[in-house]
Amino acid sequence: SQTIHQWPATLVQPVGSPLSLECTVEGTSNPNLYWYRQAAGRGLQLLFYSVGIGQISSEVPQNLSASRPQDRQFILSSKKLLLSDSGFYLCAWSIWGSYNEQFFGPGTRLTVL
Amino acid sequence: SQQGEEDPQALSIQEGENATMNCSYKTSINNLQWYRQNSGRGLVHLILIRSNEREKHSGRLRVTLDTSKKSSSLLITASRAADTASYFCATDAQGYNKLIFGAGTRLAVHP
Repeated sequence: SQTIHQWPATLVQPVGSPLSLECTVEGTSNPNLYWYRQAAGRGLQLLFYSVGIGQISSEVPQNLSASRPQDRQFILSSKKLLLSDSGFYLCAWSIWGSYNEQFFGPGTRLTVL
Repeated sequence: SQQGEEDPQALSIQEGENATMNCSYKTSINNLQWYRQNSGRGLVHLILIRSNEREKHSGRLRVTLDTSKKSSSLLITASRAADTASYFCATDAQGYNKLIFGAGTRLAVHP
């Protein structure tokens, strides 16, 4: 069966510090991968998605970047965090070729102080 | 917003009652999906209804879709305390090539 991992679960970082969140998927090959951000009590905002290694599409111009160094690894990064980067970050995958029926990881709660 | 406005924003019911949540959207869709999120956790896919379908069932869940009104409803019958969660609709809108999520309905089921 497929599983998706995210770490860390929670993170508190000072403004201006770098960020690296990692997501890995097991039990499937060549998945579509997604990074979402969820503000408190709100819906999900798609940040990045990837259909293959090294292929990243950005949805919202911002302070963040994403990379996919391996087929089942998706990394969200920032060189300098802003207060507005605080939120709940969710990684998700779907089968290749479809963005429907996405499977989500447990999320990372990021607080920037 | 582009799509997926749920109402009510919050719903509080007693165990055994039915819970109905609604979702409205603005543009033509290929399908509409409902997801559930327990507090502080990731989302779980519940059900997908295609644009040519009007109703779909899965266990205690019943989803309807009215493309003429651009709306969908999620009915949870005989609710349980364990159904307490936020419920989101997500639309596969034509031309967008991604899912667009609404802000969700927070459901509280009291024992």
